[in-house]
Amino acid sequence: EDQVTQSPEALRLQEGESSSLNCSYTVSGLRGLFWYRQDPGKGPEFLFTLYSAGEEKEKERLKATLTKKESFLHITAPKPEDSATYLCAVLRGSNYQLIWGAGTKLIIKP
Amino acid sequence: DAGVIQSPRHEVTEMGQEVTLRCKPISGHNSLFWYRQTMMRGLELLIYFNNNVPIDDSGMPEDRFSAKMPNASFSTLKIQPSEPRDSAVYFCASSLAGGGETQYFGPGTRLLVL
Repeated sequence: EDQVTQSPEALRLQEGESSSLNCSYTVSGLRGLFWYRQDPGKGPEFLFTLYSAGEEKEKERLKATLTKKESFLHITAPKPEDSATYLCAVLRGSNYQLIWGAGTKLIIKP
Repeated sequence: DAGVIQSPRHEVTEMGQEVTLRCKPISGHNSLFWYRQTMMRGLELLIYFNNNVPIDDSGMPEDRFSAKMPNASFSTLKIQPSEPRDSAVYFCASSLAGGGETQYFGPGTRLLVL
C-alpha cells in the first residue's frame, strides 16, 4: 500500500539549533516529492519539489534532499519565524493524486 | 499576482442547512482540487477537475457533497444538508497543466456545523 510517513510528529528546538525532518515513503513509480509549509489558519505553502534520488534543493535556511526511500528537510540555524507544520506529499505513477503525510509541527523557541 | 481565492473564510451554520464554498483558481491554471483537512484525517482530496471537467470525485464523502466548475475561473463545493461531522477546513488548490504539477493552495474556508 502506498504510504507517506513523517517523523517526528512534533519537534521543539531552540533558535539556532539545527535539525532535520524526515519523510519516508513507499510508493510505486515516484514522480515527485513535494514539501509544503503550513502556518496556523492558512493554506499549505509550496516549498520544494524533488524528482529523483540524489536531488537537493535549498531555500534560505531550508534544504531538502531525496533518496529512494525518504526525504529530509534540513533546517539550519532556525529562527522563530520558521515555526510551522511541514507537510510532505508524494506523486506516483501516472496518477495526479498526491499522497500526503501527517506533517511535522516545528516549534522554534527564541 | 493573485493566488487562489476562497470565500467565505469562515462559515458557521446549523445542521441541515446548505453550505456553498467558492474558489477562484490562479489565472492560467487548468487543474483544480478541493481538499478537506481535519486533525484526525489530515488532508483528503475530495474532487479533481481538469479543464473544468470533473476527473475524479471518488473522495467526495457522500451524495450530500457536490462540486461544479462552470468556467476556468470559478468553482463551488456545496454541502446539502450539512452535518456536524462536516466541520473542517476546506481548501481549494490549482495547478498548471496536468495533475502532476505543483499545487498552490488557497487560504481555506473554516466550516463549523452546529
